[in-house]
Amino acid sequence: QKEVEQNSGPLSVPEGAIASLNCTYSDRGSQSFFWYRQYSGKSPELIMFIYSNGDKEDGRFTAQLNKASQYVSLLIRDSQPSDSATYLCAVNPQAGTALIFGKGTTLSVSS
Amino acid sequence: GAVVSQHPSWVICKSGTSVKIECRSLDFQATTMFWYRQFPKQSLMLMATSNEGSKATYEQGVEKDKFLINHASLTLSTLTVTSAHPEDSSFYICSLKTGGSTDTQYFGPGTRLTVL
Repeated sequence: QKEVEQNSGPLSVPEGAIASLNCTYSDRGSQSFFWYRQYSGKSPELIMFIYSNGDKEDGRFTAQLNKASQYVSLLIRDSQPSDSATYLCAVNPQAGTALIFGKGTTLSVSS
Repeated sequence: GAVVSQHPSWVICKSGTSVKIECRSLDFQATTMFWYRQFPKQSLMLMATSNEGSKATYEQGVEKDKFLINHASLTLSTLTVTSAHPEDSSFYICSLKTGGSTDTQYFGPGTRLTVL
């Protein structure tokens, strides 16, 4: 059974701080990894994806991938109250099949 | 990225009635779509994979006769909740994958179903 694990949180950070969200996955053959943000009552929206080991930056967001450790993380710099949401980590098992999602980490940014 | 719409965005119905939810891909031809259900404060649950022109594949525990899926074209998939009951009240979300080198999954805005 392919699994994606996330700490459910809540993760609380003050405004302006760096929020660090972590995810591990069980299938060593996984090739692509995704982070989604889901606000309460809304559907998930894609933040970014990463395929290669290392860091990938997009604005205030940085995704980090370590395939040897089967570990993916998302860093949010200069956290804002509007970043308060549930963050979902997802892994692509194979083409044509649905992504495998973790249960999500709830982030709360206090002003 | 792909743009996905759903209709209706919310619906209230009486117990025993059937409700149809439409999922449209506005800018992408999707051979495969996915249907999810999410209860309050719970994680996404994949219900079924919808394949254009063929029968849907349902996840274990999902009743195919209760949740009818029709993927008649590359841009439209429908989910019909038959004989709905209060326990079917949930947030239903459709999704598609773009395939190719990125193979990214995009979600519709969701449909909130309340069964009285």
